[in-house]
Amino acid sequence: EVQMEQSGGGLVQPGGSLRLSCGGSGFTFGTYWMDWVRQAPGRGLEWVANISPDGTRKLYVASVKGRFTISRDNAKNSLDLQMYSLRADDTAVYYCAKEHETFDSWGQGTLVTVSP
Amino acid sequence: QSALTQPPSASGSVGQSVTISCTGTSSDVGRYKFVSWYQQHPGKAPKLMIYEVTKRPSGVPDRFSGSKSGNTASLTVSGLQAEDEAEYHCSSYTGNDNNLWIFGGGTRLTVL
Repeated sequence: EVQMEQSGGGLVQPGGSLRLSCGGSGFTFGTYWMDWVRQAPGRGLEWVANISPDGTRKLYVASVKGRFTISRDNAKNSLDLQMYSLRADDTAVYYCAKEHETFDSWGQGTLVTVSP
Repeated sequence: QSALTQPPSASGSVGQSVTISCTGTSSDVGRYKFVSWYQQHPGKAPKLMIYEVTKRPSGVPDRFSGSKSGNTASLTVSGLQAEDEAEYHCSSYTGNDNNLWIFGGGTRLTVL
């Protein structure tokens, strides 16, 4: 059974940093693109970033480019999202997702709140 | 690309059918087969219901079906059941590196 377990998140002040992690199991982690998707309170879903299976290719939504860094460690079946210079509009539940021409499995989500 | 357009709400009685639309552009929904639908219950993670416009993952009831015409994709839920009450989100691949995947705003489905 495919499972993805997330950790990290919490309350951070504007301008602060936070790191989210996601561990995958039940599939060959190192052969899939992996993504982060977020959902602001009461809003729809928004794609944030993805990373290629070998970790060499990374893409970001324009609003986080230069502030967020996605990374992975295939030996540990783990995916990270390092977030810097956080703003109020980054407040959201962040999900990791396994990508295979769609988002076919999702982590449970972790809340990031950016507030003074 | 802007977000895909979905109606904010939809409803139907138990046993009836309901269709939810998802309108994009010729650069996303109209161009690619990578259109998906997700079901999300309150406080839960999204669950994949339809991918590549019409395909159902293993375990998803065949009451759920997808289609596409031009720039608009649709999700139809037949034989509505109480447990189908949830938020439904559509998504599409865009090929734009700055916004690779886009989503609709979500549709709240109420089962009467």
